[in-house]
Amino acid sequence: ETGVTQSPTHLIKTRGQQVTLRCSSQSGHNTVSWYQQALGQGPQFIFQYYREEENGRGNFPPRFSGLQFPNYSSELNVNALELDDSALYLCASSLKGTGASLQFFGPGTRLTVL
Amino acid sequence: AQKITQTQPGMFVQEKEAVTLDCTYDTSDQSYGLFWYKQPSSGEMIFLIYQGSYDEQNATEGRYSLNFQKARKSANLVISASQLGDSAMYFCAMREGRNFNKFYFGSGTKLNVKP
Repeated sequence: ETGVTQSPTHLIKTRGQQVTLRCSSQSGHNTVSWYQQALGQGPQFIFQYYREEENGRGNFPPRFSGLQFPNYSSELNVNALELDDSALYLCASSLKGTGASLQFFGPGTRLTVL
Repeated sequence: AQKITQTQPGMFVQEKEAVTLDCTYDTSDQSYGLFWYKQPSSGEMIFLIYQGSYDEQNATEGRYSLNFQKARKSANLVISASQLGDSAMYFCAMREGRNFNKFYFGSGTKLNVKP
């Protein structure tokens, strides 16, 4: 196990609703990244947070937003849910530094939008 | 252009044989990192091996080795002596950016190890 936890494990929402997913980083890690993995595809980078600020973002609209807290835990918020938001959401924690900084992934949250 | 390209959607290999999973990447950065991850059907993403763009030697981690050909922008994963437990999705990934703040995954290769 990586020490990265995510909650909830599964979630079902309806189109137009809002959702908050949570991630607890591995001890000592100060950077968290979020990914969306649609069925049968590779993970897509949503954004990265370091010291409570977003410092990198993929090609996702503003309705995807996040927070990082002083204890380095994190939230992913998605507003105005769409059917295509159904996916496995992965968070990964790392220690900011060089390109070799390894990311350790949590088990993911499976979101279904009906 | 795709940042990471994995051209093999599925691969079969006989148990105890070696297998190579292909990965090519696209970046204009001089400094970047390349990773391989394994994702079993349970969904967790397991780190396998890392190669830095300035590393001259190919990375190795147990039965995993990364065949890094910088000029060709390829980073193939070689698994030696395949085991049944190696059956999973395998993703190639790259980290780049000014603060290494961008991360890209390929579409993955589904490896099936036959007994």
